[in-house]
Amino acid sequence: NAGVTQTPKFQVLKTGQSMTLQCAQDMNHNSMYWYRQDPGMGLRLIYYSASEGTTDKGEVPNGYNVSRLNKREFSLRLESAAPSQTSVYFCASNPAGELFFGEGSRLTVL
Amino acid sequence: GENVEQHPSTLSVQEGDSAVIKCTYSDSASNYFPWYKQELGKRPQLIIDIRSNVGEKKDQRIAVTLNKTAKHFSLHITETQPEDSAVYFCAAFPSNTGNQFYFGTGTSLTVIP
Repeated sequence: NAGVTQTPKFQVLKTGQSMTLQCAQDMNHNSMYWYRQDPGMGLRLIYYSASEGTTDKGEVPNGYNVSRLNKREFSLRLESAAPSQTSVYFCASNPAGELFFGEGSRLTVL
Repeated sequence: GENVEQHPSTLSVQEGDSAVIKCTYSDSASNYFPWYKQELGKRPQLIIDIRSNVGEKKDQRIAVTLNKTAKHFSLHITETQPEDSAVYFCAAFPSNTGNQFYFGTGTSLTVIP
């Protein structure tokens, strides 16, 4: 039982490049989330998916897209990376209660 | 939408003293209030939570209190130890926003040996 698994853990991109952050959970949770964490700003919600087949915008969705591929997987895509997207990204899942977080993905955009 | 404010942003205490972190929320529909601890370079992990039908909850050295009327909740850590040093986040979960959690901006707690 691995919990919530994110890949990659580290990534460096150049401005304008695209990439996808992958997230998978093996706990059969319905809800999944993508947060970004920046110093002094806490955890800000980018997108979430309340169930398979649905996605909704959070607080800071601009510049991102998501796909809920199936119940286990929820990916986050940056189509044209910008330096403002340099951050630590956390995926999380929720069975209706506690949020379970992945280990995080540190992204640097040059 | 919900707005969660957290204070203080940094807190230093001597080992053995108590630490208190306070959060306020704005949406009366919020009914679940978790607290997360994040050690340096690690993921946030739940340490305690409280639901709106309870005023206080304790788990060994940590406790959380909730005042629904005033819309604030607090984390209390007694007999602090160096391993309590971390960033702590409060959160609120409104029952009417489709599964969104709203986080405070975090408190960096340092316990001085």
